[in-house]
Amino acid sequence: DQQVKQNSPSLSVQEGRISILNCDYTNSMFDYFLWYKKYPAEGPTFLISISSIKDKNEDGRFTVFLNKSAKHLSLHIVPSQPGDSAVYFCAASKNGNKLVFGAGTILRVKS
Amino acid sequence: DAGVIQSPRHEVTEMGQEVTLRCKPISGHDYLFWYRQTMMRGLELLIYFNNNVPIDDSGMPEDRFSAKMPNASFSTLKIQPSEPRDSAVYFCASTSTGRRYEKLFFGSGTQLSVL
Repeated sequence: DQQVKQNSPSLSVQEGRISILNCDYTNSMFDYFLWYKKYPAEGPTFLISISSIKDKNEDGRFTVFLNKSAKHLSLHIVPSQPGDSAVYFCAASKNGNKLVFGAGTILRVKS
Repeated sequence: DAGVIQSPRHEVTEMGQEVTLRCKPISGHDYLFWYRQTMMRGLELLIYFNNNVPIDDSGMPEDRFSAKMPNASFSTLKIQPSEPRDSAVYFCASTSTGRRYEKLFFGSGTQLSVL
């Protein structure tokens, strides 16, 4: 029973264009959402987060959008760069409890 | 700051053998997590500790899996006996109270292959 789902295993985008990575969740009690980024042979690293009281959080080229009614969040990367090529994990938690991760989406940014 | 250190980086073993994965968290961190990454399920939380005490081991798949944290600077994850379906990348992560999730620091992982 996967509570956090990333339905797109991979995404390919041209350099300079927008990358949109999607994530759906089933547990309406989740109140904090995060995106982690993972390069090959390395551990995941924190990228950006959003609280359930907000619907948008921006950090440079990265913006996360939260739609609570649809139980959906997305990560936008604008403009995409070749160095953004990595695996992106969506994660969620409730009441400061353990993080639940999705299966990940492989992003390839072509130059 | 050396980060979270895991060993070994790669482990190849035969079915039925005992496997021990090791983790040294970042100094000063009081939470330690063990995750397993597979293609189908992504990152699964196996167990986590707070101040060396196991808090939630509900993710440990079977009794073949056990984890210990004898002190603040060392933890082990043991699989005995190992099976081919245990093949995965195992990550250790640590963080400190107050900023638990934004500052979850992962090690580089142990790639386990059980033949």
